[in-house]
Amino acid sequence: AQTVTQSQPEMSVQEAETVTLSCTYDTSESNYYLFWYKQPPSRQMILVIRQEAYKQQNATENRFSVNFQKAAKSFSLKISDSQLGDTAMYFCAFMNPIGGSQGNLIFGKGTKLSVKP
Amino acid sequence: DAGVTQSPTHLIKTRGQHVTLRCSPISGHKSVSWYQQVLGQGPQFIFQYYEKEERGRGNFPDRFSARQFPNYSSELNVNALLLGDSALYLCASSLSRDSGPGEDIQYFGAGTRLSVL
Repeated sequence: AQTVTQSQPEMSVQEAETVTLSCTYDTSESNYYLFWYKQPPSRQMILVIRQEAYKQQNATENRFSVNFQKAAKSFSLKISDSQLGDTAMYFCAFMNPIGGSQGNLIFGKGTKLSVKP
Repeated sequence: DAGVTQSPTHLIKTRGQHVTLRCSPISGHKSVSWYQQVLGQGPQFIFQYYEKEERGRGNFPDRFSARQFPNYSSELNVNALLLGDSALYLCASSLSRDSGPGEDIQYFGAGTRLSVL
């Protein structure tokens, strides 16, 4: 069974600084997708970034980028120029497509990020 | 455009009662998934529906059931409520059940907070 591990329950960063959140996963599959979702106190899970395992290039979305190490099964999220609005729970998630169909998301336990002024 | 909408926002029930949670997907999305998020944990997959048929089921007891309607909205039903069913129930919709660029991205609603007393 696939598992997702986030080893940092809580992190804090000063506004405008850079922070990296860690995620490792376990799978025997070669084709899969990885996601980072953000859940602010409003509770709504918001997609931050998506990575396809067969692509070697790391995904980037504005201030958010990932370091995807397939052999190490590692998928870390880097947030540059942190803003107060980045304060939230961050969840790493894994999806294993099955026969061309999407599977379900498997989430880690999350990292609570606090951005301090 | 409206996102994924869930109702009600909050719900308080007593043990043994039955509850129905509702979800309307993003317009044009045909796949709906349900997740349970216990406080302090990442969401856990309950069901996935596509074109009114169950396409996936997580490790939840038969007290949990769901259905999808012709307009792609969905209901999650939980019978014989237990204290341990207290959680945030999240609904997510995606374009289809295929895994492909953009199609596999799940967009979440703000959830229904269920408290069982």
